Amino acid sequence: KAGVTQTPRYLIKTRGQQVTLSCSPISGHRSVSWYQQTPGQGLQFLFEYFSETQRNKGNFPGRFSGRQFSNSRSEMNVSTLELGDSALYLCASSLAVRQGNEQFFGPGTRLTVL
Amino acid sequence: QQQVKQSPQSLIVQKGGISIINCAYENTAFDYFPWYQQFPGKGPALLIAIRPDVSEKKEGRFTISFNKSAKQFSLHIMDSQPGDSATYFCAATLFSGGYNKLIFGAGTRLAVHP
Repeated sequence: KAGVTQTPRYLIKTRGQQVTLSCSPISGHRSVSWYQQTPGQGLQFLFEYFSETQRNKGNFPGRFSGRQFSNSRSEMNVSTLELGDSALYLCASSLAVRQGNEQFFGPGTRLTVL
Repeated sequence: QQQVKQSPQSLIVQKGGISIINCAYENTAFDYFPWYQQFPGKGPALLIAIRPDVSEKKEGRFTISFNKSAKQFSLHIMDSQPGDSATYFCAATLFSGGYNKLIFGAGTRLAVHP
């Protein structure tokens, strides 16, 4: 079974630009979660999608948004990029239908904002 | 209430030694406690997990000890090897509203010296 894939793996953008990151979950997984990882803040939850609906959202500004498609693939978008948005963005998928389901992480997209 | 506090921030252990990482939580509604291992350039991967009705779980050289009354749990790595050098995250999940919310600790960077 193929794992979680994320594209692109690396991105360099400048302040004020916007960016779209993509995540393909493991086949059969309907839940996709996004996390931001930085050295200072650790792993911060962004949002979670299940069956094309956002079920849960972390404490991030509205510049961070996402969506999920009918095939469970997900995208997240960050508009008006700031220097502080430089981070590793991780996507995780799971069956998410009962207690204790494991989340499987992708390799992440490393975003650098200049 | 939703936090998971992890210590130490970094740990240096000699090959063959025991690595111990500790975590504490406040919310008694957490119902699943996974540990993730992350190597540089990779996403976190589930290492071992425990439910709160169990006091200890062992898988190979990795053991979770769980103290429900103290609301603490820890990861022990026996016979630590240089290949164990990675960042370790404890986490706790809350199953509510039909889905799992995963809260991560801040992470511990482990270096095992040969």
